[in-house]
Order: sequence, then structure tokens, then C-alpha cells
Amino acid sequence: AQSVTQLDSQVPVFEEAPVELRCNYSSSVSVYLFWYVQYPNQGLQLLLKYLSGSTLVESINGFEAEFNKSQTSFHLRKPSVHISDTAEYFCAVRLTGGGNKLTFGTGTQLKVEL
Amino acid sequence: SAVISQKPSRDICQRGTSLTIQCQVDSQVTMMFWYRQQPGQSLTLIATANQGSEATYESGFVIDKFPISRPNLTFSTLTVSNMSPEDSSIYLCSVVGRGSYNEQFFGPGTRLTVL
Repeated sequence: AQSVTQLDSQVPVFEEAPVELRCNYSSSVSVYLFWYVQYPNQGLQLLLKYLSGSTLVESINGFEAEFNKSQTSFHLRKPSVHISDTAEYFCAVRLTGGGNKLTFGTGTQLKVEL
Repeated sequence: SAVISQKPSRDICQRGTSLTIQCQVDSQVTMMFWYRQQPGQSLTLIATANQGSEATYESGFVIDKFPISRPNLTFSTLTVSNMSPEDSSIYLCSVVGRGSYNEQFFGPGTRLTVL
């Protein structure tokens, strides 16, 4: 069975500073990788995904994540955060071999401060 | 993408009662799922709602406690039966849309508090 680890439950950061949210996964077979964001009192939104091809994927709001197969990681980064990035971020995996079950990490609360 | 609505958005219920949550999608979708997000925790898949047949439940979840219906390709319900305070959670519906096999979209969630 696959699993996802997000070691940081909370990450405080000042506005305009860079941030990295860590995600490691465990799976005996290949997976698709996702980052979801949940803004306060809202539902989950897909931020970005890795399916195949380039290991570096980007979102429209400046976040990027890099798939590292050897380290089984999919860390999320942004070079300069904004107050509006304050949210809960969930990393998730799904097996490539069929089925649609998403396995989520426990989430990282990103709090951007002035 | 798919636009998903859930009703109710939140509710406060008494112990021992049941609540049915509705999930409506704006387009026909191949797969629908129900997740639970307990306070301070991640999302856990409850079951896959199968159109025209019984839902497929994950380990730890049973039909008697969480009966699910899916009468067509755009609608599903989840009932939380005989509720206890431990059932206080956010319940989310998600779908995999046609033509977007690798992407799941989530509804806004139903915030349930059981007293």
C-alpha cells in the first residue's frame, strides 16, 4: 500500500520569503503525485500534479514541485510567498496502474505573516 | 473541470440521529467518491459511489453506518447513520470527470458537528 508523509504540520513564514513544503511518499509501484490546497473555510483545489514527463511542474500562482524518484519526494516550493497563500496544503498520491483512490498526507498549514 | 455542490454546507446534529448529504455535479462523471476529514487530520476515503450498484467501502467503513446511493452519473448521497460525536467531520464528495481521468475535483464539503 502507498503512503504519504508530510513532516511539517505547520510552516510559518514572512511575506516575500521563500518556502518549501515537504512531501515524501512510499509505494512499491509507480504513482501520480498531486498537491491540493485548502483555503480557510473552502474546499480542496488542485494546485499542481505530476503525471509523466518533466519532473518539474508549475502552478499558475507561482508554486512549483519537483518529482524526485530516487528520494521518493515531491516537495512544493515558492520563491516568494504572499499573505493570500495562507492555507492548508495536502500532498497526495495515486497509483498509475488503475483505480482512482487518492492517498493523502496529513497536511501542512502554511501561515504567511507580515 | 467539474463543478460540485453539496448540501447541506454544515449541520449540527444530535447523537443517535442520521444525516443525508447530497452531492450534485454539473456534468456526467465516471467516478464519485466520499471522503472524511476529521478535525486536524487529513482526508480519508470512505467509499467509491458506483452508479447502479452498491458502493465499494474502504477498510474501516461499513454500509450500515455510511449508506451511499448513486442513482445517476451526476448525483450521489452519503448518509451518516446513528451519529456520535466521533462522526464530527467534514465530509467531501469528489469526482473524476470524463476526459480528466487523472484529476479529482472536490466539493466544498459538509461540516458536521454531532452533539
